[in-house]
Formats: sequence, structure tokens, C-alpha cells
Amino acid sequence: DIQMTQSPSSLSASVGDRITITCQASQDISNFLNWYQQKPGKAPKLLIYDASNLETGVPSRFGGSSSGTDFTFTISSLQPEDIATYYCQQYENLPFTFGPGTKVDLK
Amino acid sequence: EVQLLESGGRLVQPGGSLRLSCTASGFTFNIYAMSWVRQAPGKGLEWVAAMSRRGGTTYYADSVKGRFTISRDNSKNTLYLQMNSLRDEDTAVYYCAKQGAEVVVINAYFDYWGPGTLVTVSS
Repeated sequence: DIQMTQSPSSLSASVGDRITITCQASQDISNFLNWYQQKPGKAPKLLIYDASNLETGVPSRFGGSSSGTDFTFTISSLQPEDIATYYCQQYENLPFTFGPGTKVDLK
Repeated sequence: EVQLLESGGRLVQPGGSLRLSCTASGFTFNIYAMSWVRQAPGKGLEWVAAMSRRGGTTYYADSVKGRFTISRDNSKNTLYLQMNSLRDEDTAVYYCAKQGAEVVVINAYFDYWGPGTLVTVSS
């Protein structure tokens, strides 16, 4: 199975800050990498698909990029409604696997 | 508006069985692959099973293979998960999720999710 790691596991930031989350795959997954946002008690929501494509309706402050087996998720200007846990997910191989999540809260 | 609604979760004893349902609306159900994803209390997300648009292809996580069966009834816009030989570690919120294409392994992003249904396995 492809293992996904995320860093950091949690972070605290202020409104307006730029935040970055990294996801690393244990092997090459091309750009078959998606990012989700999950708020407490809610279902996950797709934000980014195929490493860098913004899902329809998602604010442009969210972004994704890739470099080899390393993937980066960015919020350019953190908003209060962005407080959530963020997960990456690969679909290069079955089983589809998720990263352990990064919890983002306000400083 | 795309909607997915899971049902069937409840408290069940270890070794028991349960069938979850997911009713879809707001999109053409029979042209998309579908998956089940679960989340144990306080834990991360785990993909469980997936099925192609017509049901001809299914895939399972090793942790549920041989115990769980995914199926669909396109005439009823409904996805199912039959869960047998349940274990304590199957306790989780189970989400059904729409995929981005008809084939499981293509565009395998989960673009719509239901609110989830809680399965608790305990004696």
C-alpha cells in the first residue's frame, strides 16, 4: 500500500496568515493527489484534485502544488472559516489511502 | 443539488451483521463510481470499498475483504454496504462518496459526501 505522511500534524496561525501543509507519498503517485477539508462533525469536502486543480466553488485562497513525491497545500490568507482538519489522498494505486491529517486552528 | 444520505448505522454486537444504504439524488447516479469511506472516532479517514458505475468492478480494503460487500441498485439510486462478521475495530462513521468518473481508478477524487452514519460494534 502507498503510505501518505503529512506535516505538520497540527498548526496554529492567525487570520490573514499564509499556511502550508506538506504531504509525501511513499512512492511515485504522479499527480493523483487530492486535498480535503473536514470540519468537526461534518463530512470531508473536496478542495483540490489532481494536485493543483481547484474544485468548483472553492475560494481561490486555497491552492496545491507538487514536486516529485512531495505535495503542498496552501491557504494564502487564513480565514476563521478555514479552521478544520485537512487530509491528502492518493489514487495512484488501490487501496486509496489518506494522510493522517493536519489540524489547523487559530492562534 | 447533489445529495447523498446514508442510513442503517446502529449498535451491533461483535460477529453481527448490518447493511448500510446510501440514497443519491441531484445527479445521474448510474454514470459514476461510488465508494464507502469510514472514520473511527477521533481518527482519520479510511477508504473501505468502491464500485464501478454498473457494478461490474468492485474493490475492497484488506481490512474488510471477505467480510463486507458493496453493491448498488441503479434503478433506486442507492448504494449499499453489507457488513458481516463485524469487529470492534469496525466502529466508525461510514460515509458514502461519489467519485469523479464511471471507472473506480480514474478521477478517483470524492467530490460529494453524505453526512455519514455511525456504526458501533460493541457487546
